[in-house]
This record gives sequence, structure tokens and C-alpha cells, in this order.
Amino acid sequence: DAKTTQPTSMDCAEGRAANLPCNHSTISGNEYVYWYRQIHSQGPQYIIHGLKNNETNEMASLIITEDRKSSTLILPHATLRDTAVYYCIVRFYTGTASKLTFGTGTRLQVTL
Amino acid sequence: DAGITQSPRYKITETGRQVTLMCHQTWSHSYMFWYRQDLGHGLRLIYYSAAADITDKGEVPDGYVVSRSKTENFPLTLESATRSQTSVYFCASSESSTGRLYGYTFGSGTRLTVV
Repeated sequence: DAKTTQPTSMDCAEGRAANLPCNHSTISGNEYVYWYRQIHSQGPQYIIHGLKNNETNEMASLIITEDRKSSTLILPHATLRDTAVYYCIVRFYTGTASKLTFGTGTRLQVTL
Repeated sequence: DAGITQSPRYKITETGRQVTLMCHQTWSHSYMFWYRQDLGHGLRLIYYSAAADITDKGEVPDGYVVSRSKTENFPLTLESATRSQTSVYFCASSESSTGRLYGYTFGSGTRLTVV
């Protein structure tokens, strides 16, 4: 799996958009970008994933650059409950056994 | 209720004891995974399984044993617990790949302390 690089921590004011960057410069054509988050003491929670196109769901938007070497997770209106560690993961689709490799993520602190 | 359930939620055991952490999922997902989480290391994959009776090692398998006799269960056994295995353990499951990958669903975790 391609390695990802994320900032260690970020702050965001409540109500503002939180933009979390991720670099994955060694990504290959078949590798998807996944985002998870982990709120304190809980299991990681799936947020969104994409291959080439930008994606949006009820939780967030994922913007992937044209060369696919980086991406940004956007939480459009951050709330205090979005305070968590956010993991960017690149996963190769093999059609058989697959696994996710988590890095240390970005700790997002949403403040009043 | 449908979902993925881990038990026990908390466990304290002594060094050298055998302990089994349970994981049960109700979706009939093919893939199941065990991760451990320690401060400074993030989540590390211990073992995973692509289907019943198919298991494989992850990043940190030493000292652990898994089995998958039924699709819905994926127990993790520490054969002789050591203090270095004190950690929070997360189980996860995922649908079979049918052309598009889906996210993993994680359990609530088991906090294991080895004294």
C-alpha cells in the first residue's frame, strides 16, 4: 500500500469548514483513498473513499487532485463532535484479501 | 441487533495466561480483521481473514493466534499474555469485494491489561 503523509494536528473553529490534507505521492492507478476518523475511545469510523473523482456524502467531501498524489477531506461545517483523529489510507484493490494500513493520522480539534 | 460486537469490553489478565478476545458480526461479511492500538503507534494490523478458514498475518502477529471456523466469528487468542500486549484491540469487518470497495466497520474495542 502507498504511504500517506498527514499533518499531526489541526484546529478549526466550530461552524467553519475543516480541510484536512493528505499526501500520497506514490499512489498507483488501482489504489483507492479512504478516510476514517476515530473519536476518543471509540473504534474508527468510515467517512468516505474515492479513486479519481471527487466524492461527497452526508458526512464529508473528498477532493482528489488530478495527478492523484494528494487529497483533501472537507467537513463543510465542523462541530465540536467532529473533534477526532482523522486517518487517510490508500488501499489496493486485489479482489481477494485486502487490508488497511493506518498511519498516525491528523488530530482535529474543533473549538468554539 | 445487527452489527459487530466485541467481548469483553475490558479484561485484566496475568502474565503467562491465555486469553481470548471475541468478535462477532451479523452481516456475513467475508473479511474480518484484528488491530491493536497503542500510544505512538496508531492502529496496527495483527491478523486478517478473507473468509472462513482463510487467515493471514498482518504487521504484528507474534504472540497471537486466530481462527475463523464460522464466517461470523473471528476470535483472537493470546496464548501466553505478556505486558507488551497491553493494548486496545479492535475488530473490523468488510463486505466481499464485488467491484467496488466499501469501508470497514469497527467494533467498540477491548481494552486489555496484562499485569
